[in-house]
Amino acid sequence: QAGLTQPPSVSKGLRQTATLTCTGNSNNVANQGAVWLQQHRGHPPKLLFYRNNSRPSGISERFSASRSGKTASLTINGLQPEDESDYYCSAWDTSVNGWVFGGGTKLAVL
Amino acid sequence: EEQLVESGGGLVQPGGSLRVSCEASGFIFSDYWMSWVRQAPGEGLEWVATIVQDGSEKYYVDSVKGRFTISRDNAKNSLYLQMNSLRADDTAVYYCARDDLGFWGQGTLVTVSS
Repeated sequence: QAGLTQPPSVSKGLRQTATLTCTGNSNNVANQGAVWLQQHRGHPPKLLFYRNNSRPSGISERFSASRSGKTASLTINGLQPEDESDYYCSAWDTSVNGWVFGGGTKLAVL
Repeated sequence: EEQLVESGGGLVQPGGSLRVSCEASGFIFSDYWMSWVRQAPGEGLEWVATIVQDGSEKYYVDSVKGRFTISRDNAKNSLYLQMNSLRADDTAVYYCARDDLGFWGQGTLVTVSS
């Protein structure tokens, strides 16, 4: 079962903006939308965005999500040290009837 | 407070069996699809299995089909994963997750080694 494609790493400076991408296909991201998860080392993943790009309560407004065709994007404005983390995208894939994940992007805040 | 608490992980020999559990509280468990997702040491997330609200439909990743069984007991607010014929590459932290991966437990570590 093929996964989603994410860049392995992104590095940005403090207070800059980072945009992370997630590419799938018509069976998953394009038609089902993508969820975004944040995972700090040693902790379980935490939902940042539902597949309709809405934010759960408690997630900072510095985070936003969008989708264009088969590519979903997560944008983080005004980067803070606590944003340094692993970020995963996932989508329900109708061809396999299961969740597919990206390999994750490690975000470094310099 | 909403909670998902996994248990049952441990060390098991290759070819052995183990059942991990996930107990839910603070929400109506029977309203939600539930999934198991695993993460091998130092690796990314991998979906394992999903079960619908009444247990009538179950979905599995190819690598565990025929070896793992997902089930639930709504009366006990619990989700289970029965793992048979375990292999070294099944070694991972196993998380239970609710619905659209919107809420996760803390995970339980399963180590397959002789």
